[in-house]
Amino acid sequence: DSGVTQTPKHLITATGQRVTLRCSPRSGDLSVYWYQQSLDQGLQFLIQYYNGEERAKGNILERFSAQQFPDLHSELNLSSLELGDSALYFCASSVGMGGDRATDTQYFGPGTRLTVL
Amino acid sequence: AQTVTQSQPEMSVQEAETVTLSCTYDTSESDYYLFWYKQPPSRQMILVIRQEAYKQQNATENRFSVNFQKAAKSFSLKISDSQLGDAAMYFCAGDIIQGAQKLVFGQGTRLTINP
Repeated sequence: DSGVTQTPKHLITATGQRVTLRCSPRSGDLSVYWYQQSLDQGLQFLIQYYNGEERAKGNILERFSAQQFPDLHSELNLSSLELGDSALYFCASSVGMGGDRATDTQYFGPGTRLTVL
Repeated sequence: AQTVTQSQPEMSVQEAETVTLSCTYDTSESDYYLFWYKQPPSRQMILVIRQEAYKQQNATENRFSVNFQKAAKSFSLKISDSQLGDAAMYFCAGDIIQGAQKLVFGQGTRLTINP
């Protein structure tokens, strides 16, 4: 158990819908990262938040957005869902913001499996 | 481009034997970390081992060790005394992009342990 929690474990929804994925980082970690794991794209970085502020952005679609709240949990919002958004979404956390690699080891949550029908 | 490549989509090994998984990467950075993550059927991503690029000594964690060749940009994982519970997808990853906090992942190697 990494200490990172994600809810829900599974989500099944229809095209065009909107969903919210939730992540709680390990105790003491200030950074939260979101990754998408799909069969054809592998693991792709989406976005990072550090202590409530967006820190880095990757291949995140405009239909997707995220935020980190004062209690450091994070939510990833996916809207206007398409079949191709079906994937495993991971949240990871680390102590630091990045830049000091000694504190940047990322620990992953169990993931949320999203199925869009 | 900063990339991580795992050239072995699948590997198999007999229980109790040793297996080595390969990984190469490309970066212009001199200071970075490399990681091996394990993803069993449960889909959880589990950190197996990490290596700091500025350290000469290869990292070890119990039955897991790495062979880090910085000049060759190679980072292989050796699993000794393989156990059935080692069966999983193994991903090589690195934070190899200056100023970016994201991990770049390889495509993974599926490891099968034969009893």
